[in-house]
This record gives sequence, C-alpha cells and structure tokens, in this order.
Amino acid sequence: AQKVTQAQTEISVVEKEDVTLDCVYETRDTTYYLFWYKQPPSGELVFLIRRNSFDEQNEISGRYSWNFQKSTSSFNFTITASQVVDSAVYFCALSPGYSSASKIIFGSGTRLSIRP
Amino acid sequence: DVKVTQSSRYLVKRTGEKVFLECVQDMDHENMFWYRQDPGLGLRLIYFSYDVKMKEKGDIPEGYSVSREKKERFSLILESASTNQTSMYLCASRGTGGVGELFFGEGSRLTVL
Repeated sequence: AQKVTQAQTEISVVEKEDVTLDCVYETRDTTYYLFWYKQPPSGELVFLIRRNSFDEQNEISGRYSWNFQKSTSSFNFTITASQVVDSAVYFCALSPGYSSASKIIFGSGTRLSIRP
Repeated sequence: DVKVTQSSRYLVKRTGEKVFLECVQDMDHENMFWYRQDPGLGLRLIYFSYDVKMKEKGDIPEGYSVSREKKERFSLILESASTNQTSMYLCASRGTGGVGELFFGEGSRLTVL
C-alpha cells in the first residue's frame, strides 16, 4: 500500500520556538520521491522541497530543514525560530516510482499556528 | 512562472445539477491532476491525465468524470452533483522532466445545496 501519515493534526507554538512536523510514509517501490508543501491561509499550495529515495542527505534552507530516514520511513520537517508567517497547513506527499505520470499521495496535513 | 488557472474560485450549485470545473495550465505540461481537499482528509486524487485524451482514475473517482481534449486544459465534471461533493477542488500540473513537483491552481470551492 502507498500511504502518507501525518499524525499531528494541529500544532501551536509561540513565535521563535523550534517546531518539527512529522511525516511517515509507506511504499513498496524502491524508487520514490517525497515532497513537502505549504498551504497558507490564502489557499494556494506552495512547493517547499523534493527528495528522492536515493538521497538521504538532510537539507537545510534558511530556517527550514528536512530529515529523511529510510530506516524509519520518515521525512520530518523542522522550522527553526518560527515566525507568525509560518502559520499554515503543511502537507507531506509521496510519489512512488520514477515516472512523472505517477500519482502523488498526500498526507492529511498538519495545521501549524505560530502565536506572537 | 508556471500558472495553473481554475475558472471559478467559488461555486454554489443545487443537487442534481451538472457541474464543470475547468483548469488551464500555460507550461505545456503533459500531466494534470484533480484533487479534492476536505478537513482532516488532506488531498485525495480524483483523476489524472498524462496526455491528451488519456485519463486514469485516482483514489476517489466515483461521481466524477474528466475531459482532456487539449493539452493545456483539464476539466472535472460532476454529472449529477450531490451534497457530499461539497469540497475544495484543486487542479495541478506537472511536466515530464523527471519526477518534479506539482504546480497547483488556487482552488475552486464548490458548495452543493
């Protein structure tokens, strides 16, 4: 089965705190891609990162970092020194296989609220 | 910039009406997708298309059909709208240069009364 689980439905933290959003995936494919998207209150999904199954290096982009661990089938997202503008719904997604025609499976999302 | 445009941001329809949701992309992408988004359920794939006149069922195709007559346009059709189809509908496209990200439209919020 192909599945993405985001167990945290909602998270609320105070500004400047660090926060980690969990993502666990299931797939039988050896080649696959993982994504994170942000959906701000305006509604349009914004692409954040793509990672393929052969690249387990962690990635850092400014205050954002991603930890990919194949051993635990997880692809977690950390925001350091959170800001109010980070408030959004965040989706983790899985694209099994290596074809651009394959579907992308989304998790149920984590709503992140950053309080001033 | 890639642009995916959905024809209507908000629609209100009555039960039994036929509903068309239109999506146009301007980046010559082969692959196009229709998702619906519901609270607590994330995005669920309804249909996708990898070429003109080609379509594949997603996870929840029941009650929907699609049309892809031109590469840039992908339409979602509700033959007879029902109240349980009240939802946010998201169109997305992706090119064939590897497994890239999806580019999304702004969404169409459909209310069926």
